Amino acid sequence: DGGITQSPKYLFRKEGQNVTLSCEQNLNHDAMYWYRQDPGQGLRLIYYSQIVNDFQKGDIAEGYSVSREKKESFPLTVTSAQKNPTAFYLCASSTSTDYEQYFGPGTRLTVT
Amino acid sequence: EDQVTQSPEALRLQEGESSSLNCSYTVSGLRGLFWYRQDPGKGPEFLFTLYSAGEEKEKERLKATLTKKESFLHITAPKPEDSATYLCAVRASGSRLTFGEGTQLTVNP
Repeated sequence: DGGITQSPKYLFRKEGQNVTLSCEQNLNHDAMYWYRQDPGQGLRLIYYSQIVNDFQKGDIAEGYSVSREKKESFPLTVTSAQKNPTAFYLCASSTSTDYEQYFGPGTRLTVT
Repeated sequence: EDQVTQSPEALRLQEGESSSLNCSYTVSGLRGLFWYRQDPGKGPEFLFTLYSAGEEKEKERLKATLTKKESFLHITAPKPEDSATYLCAVRASGSRLTFGEGTQLTVNP
């Protein structure tokens, strides 16, 4: 079955540590996205990539980094510079024609 | 700057009580308005894309409509399983979407 996978579902880290969230898709989509969702709020765009080896900052990129070495994969690193990293992180992908984004199940990150 | 405002923030209905959710938008050159459903603790599920004023799309008890300034998600005779947060998003250029904060719908049996 085609889809988007994110792992792990829950992640716990100590303050000051970097952590990498995984996102893989087998939909053959060109574009991939990372969003952050806080309780009771909508989705805020962190980074997005329209093609391999290229990516752009979204609205809240500070404290995050990404890479896009393969079409199928778009990992997100939450660095120690991110002041409030505890959140629900969502990965999505889309084609470059209709731009309908399909989402993974999310990773809930808790930093203490 | 693209803006999306959804109302109400929360809506509680009795089973079978039809209603509508609103999505107002401000965007330079709309290239798509998207509706998603999100269950607690899960990723959003794509529902509809609308491209031009007057367009309508339906799926089971849901019907989405679009004008030049807003979109409505009409829910006819809702059931408890329709309870979820409904998100609206717009695309102006490129591939990025701008999301509203959502409407949390609760349907009581």
